[in-house]
Amino acid sequence: LAKTTQPISMDSYEGQEVNITCSHNNIATNDYITWYQQFPSQGPRFIIQGYKTKVTNEVASLFIPADRKSSTLSLPRVSLSDTAVYYCLVGLLNDYKLSFGAGTTVTVRA
Amino acid sequence: DSGVTQTPKHLITATGQRVTLRCSPRSGDLSVYWYQQSLDQGLQFLIHYYNGEERAKGNILERFSAQQFPDLHSELNLSSLELGDSALYFCASSLNLGETQYFGPGTRLLVL
Repeated sequence: LAKTTQPISMDSYEGQEVNITCSHNNIATNDYITWYQQFPSQGPRFIIQGYKTKVTNEVASLFIPADRKSSTLSLPRVSLSDTAVYYCLVGLLNDYKLSFGAGTTVTVRA
Repeated sequence: DSGVTQTPKHLITATGQRVTLRCSPRSGDLSVYWYQQSLDQGLQFLIHYYNGEERAKGNILERFSAQQFPDLHSELNLSSLELGDSALYFCASSLNLGETQYFGPGTRLLVL
C-alpha cells in the first residue's frame, strides 16, 4: 500500500463541515483511495472509495485532484456521533491486506 | 451493526497461556480476515481465509494460527502468550476476495 500522511487530530463543532486531507505522493496508477471510520471499541467501517475527481454518498464526499497525490474527505454538518478516527488507505481495488496508519482523530464538540 | 460477531468481547489471561478467539462472518460471506490493533503498531493484517482455505498471511507470528470451519466461522488461536500480545483483535468478512470488508466489534485481549 502507498504511504499516506494525514493530520493526527482535528477539532470541530456540531453543524460544521469537516475536511480531512490525506497526502499520498507515491500513489500508483491503479491505486484507489479508501476511507474508513472507527469508533472507540469498534471495528473500522468503510465510508467511501474513489479513483479520481469527486465521489459522494450519503455519508461523505471524497475529492481527488487531477494529480491524485492527495485526497480530501469531507463530512458535511458533523454531529457529536461523528467523533471517531478516520483512516485514509491507498491501494489496489481488490487489495484485501488492509494496513491502517495512525489515522485522524476527529473530535466534534457541542 | 456490521453483521460480524466476535466472542469473547474481553479476555484476560496470563503469559504463556493459550486462547481462542471466535468470529462469525456476515451471512453468505466466504472471506474472513483477522487483524491485530495495538497502540504502537496500528491495525495490521494477520491472515485471510476463503471458504475454508488459508489464502494469505500478513505479519502473523508463528505462535498464532487460525482456521475457518465448514460453516464459515473462524477461530484465531494465540499460544505462548506474551505481554506484547495484548491488543484488540478484529475479524472482518467479505462476500468475495477484495470486496468491502465488514469488521466485527473485536476482542480485547489483555495478557498479564
